[in-house]
Amino acid sequence: GDSVTQMEGPVTLSEEAFLTINCTYTATGYPSLFWYVQYPGEGLQLLLKATKADDKGSNKGFEATYRKETTSFHLEKGSVQVSDSAVYFCALSGGSQGNLIFGKGTKLSVKP
Amino acid sequence: NAGVMQNPRHLVRRRGQEARLRCSPMKGHSHVYWYRQLPEEGLKFMVYLQKENIIDESGMPKERFSAEFPKEGPSILRIQQVVRGDSAAYFCASSPTREGTEAFFGQGTRLTVV
Repeated sequence: GDSVTQMEGPVTLSEEAFLTINCTYTATGYPSLFWYVQYPGEGLQLLLKATKADDKGSNKGFEATYRKETTSFHLEKGSVQVSDSAVYFCALSGGSQGNLIFGKGTKLSVKP
Repeated sequence: NAGVMQNPRHLVRRRGQEARLRCSPMKGHSHVYWYRQLPEEGLKFMVYLQKENIIDESGMPKERFSAEFPKEGPSILRIQQVVRGDSAAYFCASSPTREGTEAFFGQGTRLTVV
């Protein structure tokens, strides 16, 4: 079945460092891909999405490009802030299953 | 335009009691998903419902757990005879269609079984 694999955390960075969180997927058909963010004690919020190959999703300085050839959707940000500390989830929708499939999440801690 | 509303936010139950978790989807959304999140873990899919239909319950435990999404009113996740291992955050999400659209999440219900 469909699946999402993302890098294990936790990831600890200093403020203004470059961030990459890797995400790869397995799916039949042409899924849409998403990154969600969860701040402590809260629900998930959509961060960005891409619906077809080569699309780039971006929001709040974060970017991810839908790479069909490598089945990847890596999350990047050029300069992280303390306020970016959260858990980041990669997800897909529209594969062989109707529901959103999530990766296990990557906890990011940004130190001042 | 209210988002996905879940209540209660926090629920404490003694072992053996029943827990009822409610989820009102966003206006115009007819697809509802329930997920469970254990401390320091990811989201586990439980069940996917449309109005009056269970579409996919492959993530639901075979016993004690049930879900519904009636024609009128919120979706309900029901856990009978709760045990300590049921303690978790339960999140509901809704979407307007099934394929390829993002889901919008509620704030979650944090269930504690004592």
